[in-house]
Amino acid sequence: DADVTQTPRNRITKTGKRIMLECSQTKGHDRMYWYRQDPGLGLRLIYYSFDVKDINKGEISDGYSVSRQAQAKFSLSLESAIPNQTALYFCATSDFGTSGTYEQYFGPGTRLTVT
Amino acid sequence: QKEVEQNSGPLSVPEGAIASLNCTYSDRGSQSFFWYRQYSGKSPELIMFIYSNGDKEDGRFTAQLNKASQYVSLLIRDSQPSDSATYLCAVSFTGTASKLTFGTGTRLQVTL
Repeated sequence: DADVTQTPRNRITKTGKRIMLECSQTKGHDRMYWYRQDPGLGLRLIYYSFDVKDINKGEISDGYSVSRQAQAKFSLSLESAIPNQTALYFCATSDFGTSGTYEQYFGPGTRLTVT
Repeated sequence: QKEVEQNSGPLSVPEGAIASLNCTYSDRGSQSFFWYRQYSGKSPELIMFIYSNGDKEDGRFTAQLNKASQYVSLLIRDSQPSDSATYLCAVSFTGTASKLTFGTGTRLQVTL
């Protein structure tokens, strides 16, 4: 089984709808992240969480909210979806490992289209 | 604004050649540097990380770090068609050990 899973994998929704993307991990990592990826813009950080009680905004948090339900679960919500939120969304996890640094590992991604 | 810069490419190299991918970053105090490979429509996959000046080798991959010049590079020896992908450089800036800032990636094409 995959260490980091995301549901749904693909979603088409209409403008103004509320949508939730979910991320679960079995790696036992404390830190979790949500990114979006757009062509030509690379990966941009939306929110990150260092533990269940520590949630922080990233560089592009407007229009998004998150919930860290447990160490293993981190959800991203779009309260009222708009077309420019059409993107590929990735969840990632990290922990301070034996390598001496924080390595981030990504889920398979959710392709979201807002019409 | 802390930035990570990469040439978007495509970088085209023949099979068996060495591919050289470069990345520059704006924060002189940056601590750790990562290279990810991303196939089209797939998630980024960690290839290597480096945090000390010099070279680090792992199989056909070598990461090179020069903190004084603020660049990090990835060399791929004996390039294979399966290496054709986008390579993302990521940097953890000063004071943000577990947060990464990504470059926009360089697309590599290995031709037969």
